[in-house]
Amino acid sequence: DAGITQSPRHKVTETGTPVTLRCHQTENHRYMYWYRQDPGHGLRLIHYSYGVKDTDKGEVSDGYSVSRSKTEDFLLTLESATSSQTSVYFCAISVSGGALYNEQFFGPGTRLTVL
Amino acid sequence: GESVGLHLPTLSVQEGDNSIINCAYSNSASDYFIWYKQESGKGPQFIIDIRSNMDKRQGQRVTVLLNKTVKHLSLQIAATQPGDSAVYFCAEPFRDNYGQNFVFGPGTRLSVLP
Repeated sequence: DAGITQSPRHKVTETGTPVTLRCHQTENHRYMYWYRQDPGHGLRLIHYSYGVKDTDKGEVSDGYSVSRSKTEDFLLTLESATSSQTSVYFCAISVSGGALYNEQFFGPGTRLTVL
Repeated sequence: GESVGLHLPTLSVQEGDNSIINCAYSNSASDYFIWYKQESGKGPQFIIDIRSNMDKRQGQRVTVLLNKTVKHLSLQIAATQPGDSAVYFCAEPFRDNYGQNFVFGPGTRLSVLP
């Protein structure tokens, strides 16, 4: 699992509430990613980070924000959760995003349900 | 835009048979591909990768074939076992100013029948 943990693993919340998901890595990797996975869509990139305080948007960033104040933690925040954000969220790291050939290693996922 | 996709959403095979999972890609400039396996309730797990300067790469019971002429990838699993039941994704990288991200296909679900 490349030392990646996600918390919480499951969460049920109500529409309009803020939600923060945490990704923690123990191996000091520079690049971290947040994906969501929905049936029929595969994995879609929400945001990614290429260093402390360095982040950028992915394919489906609307409604999400991220923060990375230290190397080991990458937080994903839903400021006001909507039912369309019900999904399984995966965090990933890559050993070196700048190199040509580097696979990504994924965390165990967080299942979020917005009622 | 460029995309990665899979021909079949589901595949059922008998235990012991060989499995072939296909993937079509549209970016002819892609130079690296990965296959991931995702078991139920878990995150994707790297299986095997291949660079575009190769047309075949073998791992333990798995082989990836790359046909750049028709922009097609396949993952072959020999002697399929119950533990191979999972969703399989192919992925190709895209590069921006900051490095490398990946585009993932929607996946093929492999079911192994006893």
